[in-house]
Amino acid sequence: DIQMTQSPSSLSASVGDRVTLTCRASQTISTFLNWYQQKPGKAPKLLIYAASSLQFGVPSRFSGSGSGTDFTLTISSLQSEDFATYYCQQSYTTPLTFGGGTRVEVK
Amino acid sequence: QVHLQESGPKLVKPSETLSLTCTVSGGSTNTYYWSWIRQPPGKGLEWIGYIYYSGSTNYNPSLKSRVTVSVDTSKNEISLKLNSVTPADTAVYYCARIQWGETSGNHYFYGLDVWGQGTTVTVSS
Repeated sequence: DIQMTQSPSSLSASVGDRVTLTCRASQTISTFLNWYQQKPGKAPKLLIYAASSLQFGVPSRFSGSGSGTDFTLTISSLQSEDFATYYCQQSYTTPLTFGGGTRVEVK
Repeated sequence: QVHLQESGPKLVKPSETLSLTCTVSGGSTNTYYWSWIRQPPGKGLEWIGYIYYSGSTNYNPSLKSRVTVSVDTSKNEISLKLNSVTPADTAVYYCARIQWGETSGNHYFYGLDVWGQGTTVTVSS
């Protein structure tokens, strides 16, 4: 199985901050990397697919980059509604696997 | 707009079978892949398996011996059966649609773009 490792596991930030989350795959996955946002009690929401493509309807302050094994999700200016847990997921091969998540909290 | 709704028993006894249904509204199960994912309380996401509308399946090896996913395109429903459950199977269970594309006859996945709200299943006697 491909292991997905996210860092940090949590971070504290303020509204307006630029925030960068990292995801690393245990082997190359090309650009088959997706990012999700999950709020408490809610289902995950797809933000970014194929490493850098913004899902329809997602604000442009979210961006993704990377290829191979190292990927980042950047929120250019954190908004109050962005405090949540973020998961990366590889879709290069089965079993599909998720990272452990990064919780973005209020500083 | 496509909407997914999971349904099924919220309490299952150990050693019995967990059975859930995902009903698709506002769209069709045709031409898509459909997946089940679960999330134990306070933990991360685990992929259970997927099914193509044609009926072909792929399961997580960690659950493969206990899982069956099926699709009824006439009812727009996807079903999950997990047998011989234990308390470790307690989780929120989600169904989701896989966004996919095709290049040179190969299918590639681009994320899970539509999710149900999830249903909490507790395994306990």
